[in-house]
Amino acid sequence: AQTVTQSQPEMSVQEAETVTLSCTYDTSENNYYLFWYKQPPSRQMILVIRQEAYKQQNATENRFSVNFQKAAKSFSLKISDSQLGDTAMYFCACDGGATNKLIFGTGTLLAVQP
Amino acid sequence: DAGVTQSPTHLIKTRGQQVTLRCSPKSGHDTVSWYQQALGQGPQFIFQYYEEEERQRGNFPDRFSGHQFPNYSSELNVNALLLGDSALYLCASSLVGRLSTDTQYFGPGTRLTVL
Repeated sequence: AQTVTQSQPEMSVQEAETVTLSCTYDTSENNYYLFWYKQPPSRQMILVIRQEAYKQQNATENRFSVNFQKAAKSFSLKISDSQLGDTAMYFCACDGGATNKLIFGTGTLLAVQP
Repeated sequence: DAGVTQSPTHLIKTRGQQVTLRCSPKSGHDTVSWYQQALGQGPQFIFQYYEEEERQRGNFPDRFSGHQFPNYSSELNVNALLLGDSALYLCASSLVGRLSTDTQYFGPGTRLTVL
C-alpha cells in the first residue's frame, strides 16, 4: 500500500523569503508520479508541480521547485520569493502509475507573513 | 477552456437521506475520480470512472456509488447518510485511457453537511 507523510502541520515564512515543505512517501510501484497541490481557503485544489519518478532531473515551475530523492523516498517542495498569495494548505500526493489513484498526505498549512 | 465543474456548491441533508453530487470534467478528459476530504485532512480516494464503468475503488462502503455518462460527466450518490459523511467532496478529471496515467485536475468541490 502507498503512504504519504507530511511531518510539518504548519509553517510560516516572511514575504520574499524561501521555504521548504517536506514529504516522504512509500510505494511498491516502479513507475509512479509525485505531485504537490495547493488548496487555498477558497478550497479549490490547484496543481503546483509534478515529478515523474523515472526522471532524475528535479521539476521546476517558476518559483516552485522540488528536491526528489528517489532512494530516500523524499519529495520536498521549495518556494522561492514567497508571496502573500502562496498562503494555503499544501498537499503532497503520490500516484501509483497505472492505478491513477492519488494518495495524499495530511497537508502543511503555510502562512506567508507580510 | 472550461475546467472541472461541480454542483451544487453546498448541500445540507439529514441522517438517512440520499444525496447526488455532479461533476463535469475538463474539456478533453475521459476519466473522473471522486475524493472525500474531511475537515483538516487530506482527500481520500472514493472511486474512479472510465468508459462509464467503475475502474477502481477505495475503502468506502457500498452506500457510495457512482455513474459516468457518455459525455464523461459523473455523479456520486450516497445513500443512508451518516453524520460522518459530512465533508468536502472533490471531483478530479484526467486523460487516462487504458494504460496510461495523467495529472488529475480538481473541481471546486461540494460541501456536504449532514445533520
